[in-house]
Amino acid sequence: AQTVTQSQPEMSVQEAETVTLSCTYDTSESNYYLFWYKQPPSRQMILVIRQEAYKQQNATENRFSVNFQKAAKSFSLKISDSQLGDTAMYFCAFDNTDKLIFGTGTRLQVFP
Amino acid sequence: KAGVTQTPRYLIKTRGQQVTLSCSPISGHRSVSWYQQTPGQGLQFLFEYFSETQRNKGNFPGRFSGRQFSNSRSEMNVSTLELGDSALYLCASSLVVGGTEAFFGQGTRLTVV
Repeated sequence: AQTVTQSQPEMSVQEAETVTLSCTYDTSESNYYLFWYKQPPSRQMILVIRQEAYKQQNATENRFSVNFQKAAKSFSLKISDSQLGDTAMYFCAFDNTDKLIFGTGTRLQVFP
Repeated sequence: KAGVTQTPRYLIKTRGQQVTLSCSPISGHRSVSWYQQTPGQGLQFLFEYFSETQRNKGNFPGRFSGRQFSNSRSEMNVSTLELGDSALYLCASSLVVGGTEAFFGQGTRLTVV
């Protein structure tokens, strides 16, 4: 069975600094997708970034980028130039086209 | 373009009762998934519907059921409510099945007393 592990329950970072959130997963499949979702205190979950496993190039979306290491089954999220609005729960998720499996989340606090 | 709409936003029910939650996906989206979110268990997959058919089901008891209508709107039903069913229930819609962005609703906060 696929599993997703986020080993950092909470993290904090100062505004304008860079922070990296960790995620590892376990699967025997070769074709899958990985996501980072953000859930701000208002609760609505939104997509931050998406990575296709067959693509070697790491995905980037503005200040958000990933470090995808397929062999190591690692998928970390780097947030550059952190902003107060980045304060949220961040969930790593695995999708084998069957269903989304989420990690337990990392609560990120950005402080001034 | 309207987002995913879940109703009601909040519910308080008594043990033993049943409840129905509703989810209206983004127009054109045919896949609807449901998740239960609790502090202890995190986000757990309940089931997914595509074109009125249940594609996949998570590891939940038979008290949890769902359906999808021809307009892609979905409902989930929980019968014989237990205290442990208290959770945030999230619905997500996507254009197709698998690999694409899931758009989430605000959720329904269910409290069982």
